[in-house]
Amino acid sequence: GESVGLHLPTLSVQEGDNSIINCAYSNSASDYFIWYKQESGKGPQFIIDIRSNMDKRQGQRVTVLLNKTVKHLSLQIAATQPGDSAVYFCAETLEDGKLTFGKGITLSVRP
Amino acid sequence: DAGVIQSPRHEVTEMGQEVTLRCKPISGHDYLFWYRQTMMRGLELLIYFNNNVPIDDSGMPEDRFSAKMPNASFSTLKIQPSEPRDSAVYFCASSPRQGVGTEAFFGQGTRLTVV
Repeated sequence: GESVGLHLPTLSVQEGDNSIINCAYSNSASDYFIWYKQESGKGPQFIIDIRSNMDKRQGQRVTVLLNKTVKHLSLQIAATQPGDSAVYFCAETLEDGKLTFGKGITLSVRP
Repeated sequence: DAGVIQSPRHEVTEMGQEVTLRCKPISGHDYLFWYRQTMMRGLELLIYFNNNVPIDDSGMPEDRFSAKMPNASFSTLKIQPSEPRDSAVYFCASSPRQGVGTEAFFGQGTRLTVV
């Protein structure tokens, strides 16, 4: 049968450092851009979102940046902690509510 | 609320058998999504519903897949007949409203293995 495990690009950071996870999107009509975190054995969990008419939004320890000119989205995590180790997905939603996900990146935090 | 509830958590079935995955969304949520996650394709949107009505099923791989939402508190994804390449983790998610925030809440997933 088909393997279910994820084989994704990995970003390795030292505990306490800042992490930057990048994502490119293709649909200019997207209404919202969202970052999700997926821990092993669990479903994706919402982190932060940004509306298409904004370029920056800050949350607790996280910041999302949107550059519509180059269709680029990034997630910055300040003072990365071991609990931040997970797979991170960027996602986008259209005005009709359709929610689609990018490929995902694995964040590994070194103690 | 207990969150999005999926059943079963694990399913092992033989090729050719019918498989039914179940989902109970969060009460009051208008949107329900079915996703399939594999190593090769990542997290794929199969179909989504708004107020129990299928809106976009363009992600459903083929006629062997079907999904229903008979009421606001229940949805099923059926595969008949199942094939080994259907092996994946299937997630159900629900969202309270269109566009704003788009915070979809995911279930724990159903890990399907077709042998």
